[in-house]
Amino acid sequence: GESVGLHLPTLSVQEGDNSIINCAYSNSASDYFIWYKQESGKGPQFIIDIRSNMDKRQGQRVTVLLNKTVKHLSLQIAATQPGDSAVYFCAENIVGTALIFGKGTTLSVSS
Amino acid sequence: GAVVSQHPSRVICKSGTSVKIECRSLDFQATTMFWYRQFPKQSLMLMATSNEGSKATYEQGVEKDKFLINHASLTLSTLTVTSAHPEDSSFYICSAVGQANTGELFFGEGSRLTVL
Repeated sequence: GESVGLHLPTLSVQEGDNSIINCAYSNSASDYFIWYKQESGKGPQFIIDIRSNMDKRQGQRVTVLLNKTVKHLSLQIAATQPGDSAVYFCAENIVGTALIFGKGTTLSVSS
Repeated sequence: GAVVSQHPSRVICKSGTSVKIECRSLDFQATTMFWYRQFPKQSLMLMATSNEGSKATYEQGVEKDKFLINHASLTLSTLTVTSAHPEDSSFYICSAVGQANTGELFFGEGSRLTVL
Protein backbone atom coordinates (compact mmCIF):
# COMPACT_ATOMS: atom_id res chain seq x y z
CA GLY A 1 0.00 0.00 0.00
CA GLU A 2 1.00 3.61 -0.17
CA SER A 3 2.98 4.98 2.73
CA VAL A 4 5.06 7.85 3.86
CA GLY A 5 8.75 7.32 4.29
CA LEU A 6 11.84 9.20 5.39
CA HIS A 7 15.22 9.34 3.76
CA LEU A 8 17.46 9.10 6.81
CA PRO A 9 16.85 7.36 10.13
CA THR A 10 19.31 9.55 12.07
CA LEU A 11 20.70 13.06 11.82
CA SER A 12 23.41 14.49 14.04
CA VAL A 13 24.11 18.23 14.15
CA GLN A 14 25.95 20.74 16.26
CA GLU A 15 24.07 23.26 18.35
CA GLY A 16 23.42 26.38 16.31
CA ASP A 17 23.49 24.61 12.96
CA ASN A 18 20.49 24.41 10.71
CA SER A 19 18.85 20.98 10.39
CA ILE A 20 17.01 19.61 7.41
CA ILE A 21 14.88 16.50 7.75
CA ASN A 22 13.44 14.99 4.61
CA CYS A 23 10.42 12.90 3.84
CA ALA A 24 9.09 11.24 0.70
CA TYR A 25 5.43 10.45 0.34
CA SER A 26 3.69 8.33 -2.25
CA ASN A 27 -0.01 9.14 -2.04
CA SER A 28 -0.59 11.85 -4.62
CA ALA A 29 -4.12 12.31 -3.27
CA SER A 30 -2.90 13.52 0.13
CA ASP A 31 -3.71 17.15 0.70
CA TYR A 32 -2.48 17.75 4.21
CA PHE A 33 0.96 17.18 5.69
CA ILE A 34 2.23 17.56 9.23
CA TRP A 35 5.55 17.33 11.00
CA TYR A 36 5.56 15.95 14.51
CA LYS A 37 8.21 15.80 17.18
CA GLN A 38 8.19 12.92 19.62
CA GLU A 39 10.25 12.75 22.76
CA SER A 40 10.85 9.48 24.52
CA GLY A 41 7.74 8.12 26.24
CA LYS A 42 5.48 10.90 25.01
CA GLY A 43 2.86 11.35 22.34
CA PRO A 44 3.57 13.21 19.09
CA GLN A 45 3.83 16.97 19.40
CA PHE A 46 2.60 19.11 16.50
CA ILE A 47 5.30 21.24 14.92
CA ILE A 48 3.99 22.62 11.67
CA ASP A 49 1.60 21.71 8.90
CA ILE A 50 1.10 22.55 5.27
CA ARG A 51 -1.68 22.03 2.78
CA SER A 52 -1.19 20.85 -0.74
CA ASN A 53 -2.05 24.26 -2.20
CA MET A 54 1.11 25.69 -0.64
CA ASP A 55 4.78 24.94 -1.17
CA LYS A 56 6.27 26.66 1.84
CA ARG A 57 5.18 27.58 5.32
CA GLN A 58 7.20 29.16 8.08
CA GLY A 59 6.84 28.98 11.81
CA GLN A 60 9.06 29.98 14.64
CA ARG A 61 12.50 28.57 13.73
CA VAL A 62 10.89 25.96 11.52
CA THR A 63 10.03 25.89 7.85
CA VAL A 64 8.20 23.18 5.93
CA LEU A 65 8.69 22.81 2.20
CA LEU A 66 6.40 20.79 -0.02
CA ASN A 67 7.34 19.70 -3.52
CA LYS A 68 4.34 17.98 -5.02
CA THR A 69 6.11 17.28 -8.29
CA VAL A 70 8.50 14.84 -6.66
CA LYS A 71 6.31 14.14 -3.61
CA HIS A 72 8.85 15.45 -1.17
CA LEU A 73 8.43 17.14 2.18
CA SER A 74 11.13 18.68 4.30
CA LEU A 75 11.44 20.27 7.70
CA GLN A 76 14.07 22.89 8.29
CA ILE A 77 15.00 23.84 11.83
CA ALA A 78 17.04 27.00 12.21
CA ALA A 79 19.66 27.39 14.94
CA THR A 80 19.11 23.89 16.26
CA GLN A 81 19.15 23.57 20.03
CA PRO A 82 19.73 20.57 22.31
CA GLY A 83 16.05 20.69 23.19
CA ASP A 84 15.27 19.89 19.56
CA SER A 85 16.72 16.40 20.01
CA ALA A 86 13.86 13.98 19.38
CA VAL A 87 12.35 11.73 16.75
CA TYR A 88 10.65 13.61 13.94
CA PHE A 89 7.83 12.13 11.90
CA CYS A 90 6.17 13.40 8.80
CA ALA A 91 2.56 12.42 8.33
CA GLU A 92 0.04 12.80 5.57
CA ASN A 93 -3.66 12.47 5.05
CA ILE A 94 -6.66 13.56 3.12
CA VAL A 95 -8.41 16.03 5.40
CA GLY A 96 -10.68 14.30 7.89
CA THR A 97 -9.07 10.88 7.60
CA ALA A 98 -6.42 9.26 9.75
CA LEU A 99 -2.85 10.41 9.49
CA ILE A 100 -0.36 7.99 8.02
CA PHE A 101 3.08 8.33 9.55
CA GLY A 102 6.52 7.94 8.08
CA LYS A 103 9.27 5.95 9.72
CA GLY A 104 10.85 8.75 11.70
CA THR A 105 14.21 10.49 11.85
CA THR A 106 16.12 10.75 15.10
CA LEU A 107 17.71 14.18 15.48
CA SER A 108 20.64 14.42 17.87
CA VAL A 109 21.97 17.85 18.75
CA SER A 110 25.32 18.12 20.44
CA SER A 111 26.49 21.22 22.25
CA GLY B 1 -5.25 24.49 21.98
CA ALA B 2 -7.35 21.37 22.06
CA VAL B 3 -6.35 18.78 24.62
CA VAL B 4 -6.66 15.04 24.42
CA SER B 5 -6.11 13.07 27.60
CA GLN B 6 -5.23 9.41 27.88
CA HIS B 7 -5.47 7.24 30.96
CA PRO B 8 -3.63 5.36 32.27
CA SER B 9 -0.27 6.61 31.08
CA ARG B 10 1.38 3.38 32.17
CA VAL B 11 -0.08 -0.01 32.96
CA ILE B 12 1.47 -3.35 33.76
CA CYS B 13 -0.69 -6.43 33.68
CA LYS B 14 -0.41 -10.19 33.76
CA SER B 15 -0.77 -12.25 30.64
CA GLY B 16 -4.38 -13.22 30.00
CA THR B 17 -5.96 -10.20 31.64
CA SER B 18 -7.75 -7.34 29.91
CA VAL B 19 -6.75 -3.70 30.02
CA LYS B 20 -8.84 -0.64 29.21
CA ILE B 21 -7.31 2.58 27.96
CA GLU B 22 -9.37 5.77 27.87
CA CYS B 23 -9.04 8.65 25.46
CA ARG B 24 -10.86 11.89 26.26
CA SER B 25 -11.18 15.12 24.37
CA LEU B 26 -11.18 17.71 27.16
CA ASP B 27 -12.34 20.89 25.50
CA PHE B 28 -13.98 19.82 22.28
CA GLN B 29 -16.27 17.17 20.92
CA ALA B 30 -14.68 14.54 18.75
CA THR B 31 -16.93 12.52 16.50
CA THR B 32 -13.89 10.68 15.21
CA MET B 33 -10.92 9.37 17.11
CA PHE B 34 -8.05 7.26 15.89
CA TRP B 35 -6.05 4.64 17.75
CA TYR B 36 -2.39 4.03 16.97
CA ARG B 37 0.16 1.55 18.25
CA GLN B 38 3.86 2.22 18.40
CA PHE B 39 6.50 -0.42 19.06
CA PRO B 40 9.95 0.65 20.29
CA LYS B 41 11.96 2.58 17.71
CA GLN B 42 9.17 2.31 15.17
CA SER B 43 6.59 4.65 13.75
CA LEU B 44 2.96 5.02 14.72
CA MET B 45 0.75 2.45 13.05
CA LEU B 46 -2.95 3.11 12.67
CA MET B 47 -5.03 0.41 14.36
CA ALA B 48 -8.58 1.63 13.97
CA THR B 49 -10.89 4.55 13.42
CA SER B 50 -13.44 5.14 16.15
CA ASN B 51 -16.68 6.92 15.30
CA GLU B 52 -19.10 8.06 17.95
CA GLY B 53 -22.19 5.91 18.02
CA SER B 54 -21.04 3.35 15.50
CA LYS B 55 -18.68 0.41 15.18
CA ALA B 56 -15.01 1.07 14.81
CA THR B 57 -13.24 0.48 11.52
CA TYR B 58 -10.13 -1.65 11.90
CA GLU B 59 -7.03 -1.63 9.77
CA GLN B 60 -5.96 -4.80 8.03
CA GLY B 61 -4.26 -7.20 10.40
CA VAL B 62 -5.76 -5.72 13.58
CA GLU B 63 -8.02 -8.18 15.41
CA LYS B 64 -11.27 -6.47 16.32
CA ASP B 65 -12.12 -9.08 18.94
CA LYS B 66 -8.82 -8.52 20.67
CA PHE B 67 -8.79 -4.74 20.52
CA LEU B 68 -12.26 -3.64 21.49
CA ILE B 69 -13.06 -0.02 20.78
CA ASN B 70 -16.01 1.84 22.18
CA HIS B 71 -16.86 5.44 21.35
CA ALA B 72 -20.02 5.95 23.35
CA SER B 73 -19.84 9.71 23.71
CA LEU B 74 -18.44 12.69 21.83
CA THR B 75 -15.63 13.07 24.32
CA LEU B 76 -14.61 9.51 25.15
CA SER B 77 -13.26 6.55 23.26
CA THR B 78 -11.92 3.45 24.96
CA LEU B 79 -9.58 0.73 23.76
CA THR B 80 -9.69 -2.58 25.60
CA VAL B 81 -6.91 -5.05 25.00
CA THR B 82 -8.50 -8.39 25.79
CA SER B 83 -6.57 -11.44 26.98
CA ALA B 84 -3.35 -9.49 26.72
CA HIS B 85 -0.10 -11.26 25.86
CA PRO B 86 3.49 -10.05 26.04
CA GLU B 87 3.49 -9.30 22.30
CA ASP B 88 0.73 -6.75 22.95
CA SER B 89 3.17 -4.70 25.00
CA SER B 90 3.38 -1.40 23.19
CA PHE B 91 2.73 2.32 23.32
CA TYR B 92 -0.91 3.04 22.44
CA ILE B 93 -1.78 6.55 21.30
CA CYS B 94 -5.12 8.08 20.48
CA SER B 95 -5.90 11.16 18.45
CA ALA B 96 -9.02 13.16 17.82
CA VAL B 97 -10.19 15.33 14.98
CA GLY B 98 -10.74 18.91 16.06
CA GLN B 99 -14.17 20.45 15.77
CA ALA B 100 -13.28 22.65 12.85
CA ASN B 101 -12.18 19.55 10.97
CA THR B 102 -9.35 21.50 9.48
CA GLY B 103 -7.40 18.32 9.31
CA GLU B 104 -5.25 18.77 12.37
CA LEU B 105 -5.37 15.89 14.76
CA PHE B 106 -4.78 16.30 18.46
CA PHE B 107 -2.85 13.52 20.14
CA GLY B 108 -2.98 12.11 23.60
CA GLU B 109 0.20 11.54 25.57
CA GLY B 110 0.01 7.80 25.01
CA SER B 111 -0.40 4.76 27.23
CA ARG B 112 2.50 2.39 27.81
CA LEU B 113 1.24 -1.18 28.19
CA THR B 114 3.54 -3.86 29.55
CA VAL B 115 2.23 -7.41 29.67
CA LEU B 116 4.19 -9.78 31.88
